[in-house]
Amino acid sequence: NAGVTQTPKFQVLKTGQSMTLQCAQDMNHNSMYWYRQDPGMGLRLIYYSASEGTTDKGEVPNGYNVSRLNKREFSLRLESAAPSQTSVYFCASSEQGRSTDTQYFGPGTRLTVL
Amino acid sequence: GQSLEQPSEVTAVEGAIVQINCTYQTSGFYGLSWYQQHDGGAPTFLSYNALDGLEETGRFSSFLSRSDSYGYLLLQELQMKDSASYFCAVRDETGGFKTIFGAGTRLFVKA
Repeated sequence: NAGVTQTPKFQVLKTGQSMTLQCAQDMNHNSMYWYRQDPGMGLRLIYYSASEGTTDKGEVPNGYNVSRLNKREFSLRLESAAPSQTSVYFCASSEQGRSTDTQYFGPGTRLTVL
Repeated sequence: GQSLEQPSEVTAVEGAIVQINCTYQTSGFYGLSWYQQHDGGAPTFLSYNALDGLEETGRFSSFLSRSDSYGYLLLQELQMKDSASYFCAVRDETGGFKTIFGAGTRLFVKA
């Protein structure tokens, strides 16, 4: 049981390049999330998917696209990277309910855009 | 919109008790969570309160008052390994369920 996995762990891009961050979970969770965390700050929600086949914008969606490929996988794409997108990206999954909101996070992808 | 406020830093000594407060503003409040994050690591879940009152899990407790839009995380018998950042997070149902995180409180535990 690996939990939430992310690839790659580190990435350096040049301005204007594109890339896709991959995320997979093996806990059979319906909900998945993408966050970014800038140095010394909290997590900001980029996009989330409440269930397979649905995606919704979070706080900071501009410059990103997502795909919920199936129940396990949720990818984040940067079409034209900018230095402002230098950050640590975390994927998370959860099983929602009124009595619980436990989110399980992947190890993160450290992205630098030059 | 939504906003959360928590202190930026707290310092305490080993063995002591520390309380980290969180106040929030949101139109569709559903519940309040707490996460711990060590430097270079991923956030890990500590607790969740959907109803008023105290939830206890070992050395950690979390409290919620919905009428005051306020909660806190209480850490007892502090250990050096508790030095980390602690985030409160609001589950909001406005326009679909999503979680909004506070900026985090950096806890320094001194010997």
